[in-house]
Amino acid sequence: DAKTTQPNSMESNEEEPVHLPCNHSTISGTDYIHWYRQLPSQGPEYVIHGLTSNVNNRMASLAIAEDRKSSTLILHRATLRDAAVYYCILSTLLQGGSEKLVFGKGTKLTVNP
Amino acid sequence: EAGVAQSPRYKIIEKRQSVAFWCNPISGHATLYWYQQILGQGPKLLIQFQNNGVVDDSQLPKDRFSAERLKGVDSTLKIQPAKLEDSAVYLCASSLGIAKNIQYFGAGTRLSVL
Repeated sequence: DAKTTQPNSMESNEEEPVHLPCNHSTISGTDYIHWYRQLPSQGPEYVIHGLTSNVNNRMASLAIAEDRKSSTLILHRATLRDAAVYYCILSTLLQGGSEKLVFGKGTKLTVNP
Repeated sequence: EAGVAQSPRYKIIEKRQSVAFWCNPISGHATLYWYQQILGQGPKLLIQFQNNGVVDDSQLPKDRFSAERLKGVDSTLKIQPAKLEDSAVYLCASSLGIAKNIQYFGAGTRLSVL
């Protein structure tokens, strides 16, 4: 299974942008990059995913390097509710077309008021 | 839209006892997943169902863990007998079953084995 590398923890101030990095140097051509986050005492929650191009949605933006060996999740204005563990995951295609997500330890984001 | 329902939320048992967890996925979701999350780690996939069939159970300790998904809807995960190292949160997730589709997670069941 492809692996990702993320910092263990990061801090941000409320209402400031946050850039969460992820390295995935062994990514293959068919691997999608997914980001999920997990708030305390809850199950993980989908944030965003992409293949090659940068992606935007209402929660965040995903910037993917041209060589696809790294990506950055961007929260444009952090709020206290964004404090969570953020997971960068490469999906693996299984037989039959379904996908497998392999979670690492993620980055614990602390947002200071 | 109702989310993924799991029960119970908490369970405390002694080692060598049996325990079962229940999951009701989002209506219409063909794929169901069971994950184990040990404190301080990311979730680890135990088993993945596509409708009634098992797609991946490579990480399931089959000597003590079993799972079934009856009629392609609800699922149960059983541990028999439990060990101390099984203490974890057991998460159920579901997705439409199409590649690159979003997984929706339940709140999980926290198991403590004493």
